Amino acid sequence: GQQLNQSPQSMFIQEGEDVSMNCTSSSIFNTWLWYKQEPGEGPVLLIALYKAGELTSNGRLTAQFGITRKDSFLNISASIPSDVGIYFCAGQLSFGNEKLTFGTGTRLTIIP
Amino acid sequence: EPEVTQTPSHQVTQMGQEVILHCVPISNHLYFYWYRQILGQKVEFLVSFYNNEISEKSEIFDDQFSVERPDGSNFTLKIRSTKLEDSAMYFCASQGQNNSPLHFGNGTRLTVT
Repeated sequence: GQQLNQSPQSMFIQEGEDVSMNCTSSSIFNTWLWYKQEPGEGPVLLIALYKAGELTSNGRLTAQFGITRKDSFLNISASIPSDVGIYFCAGQLSFGNEKLTFGTGTRLTIIP
Repeated sequence: EPEVTQTPSHQVTQMGQEVILHCVPISNHLYFYWYRQILGQKVEFLVSFYNNEISEKSEIFDDQFSVERPDGSNFTLKIRSTKLEDSAMYFCASQGQNNSPLHFGNGTRLTVT
């Protein structure tokens, strides 16, 4: 099946720093999504990307859908303590109601 | 904002016992899912459900698993005879029309002893 690998696996950064993480796939996806998961909670959607090359922002978060359809990145600018959590990318083969294939996750820790 | 509600938040069961996990999806949603997450690992798709039938299932979703939408509001996942390796967080998710985002519940932590 499809594999989504995220890097880095974990990050320790100072408050105020920018964060960059990415997700690569062994095969093409036509929709890319980024989720955040906090302890004891389910994944929460941050950004959805539907078109190759698309760059989308949500506040301090920016994500891009790679032109090859096999990768995506997420940037967080000026990190704050509440950004702590695990960030998952997820891919869908097509639009609509297809299952999501989740990445391996990037754990973000912020040092005050 | 409407939420997907899962109960119980934590379920402990003995190996070989049957367990039913409960979910109340968002009321006007049409597509329903179960995912699981083994501790420290990624979230994995189990099954999708639409129009009162399974639309897709993963290789994890074997004959020990079943889903039901018994009354138009609840969506349940049953594991007939639990194994140690079934221990995980189980997330229910629901979705409205095409292309709307998936909404996840907060999960049920299943511990099989």
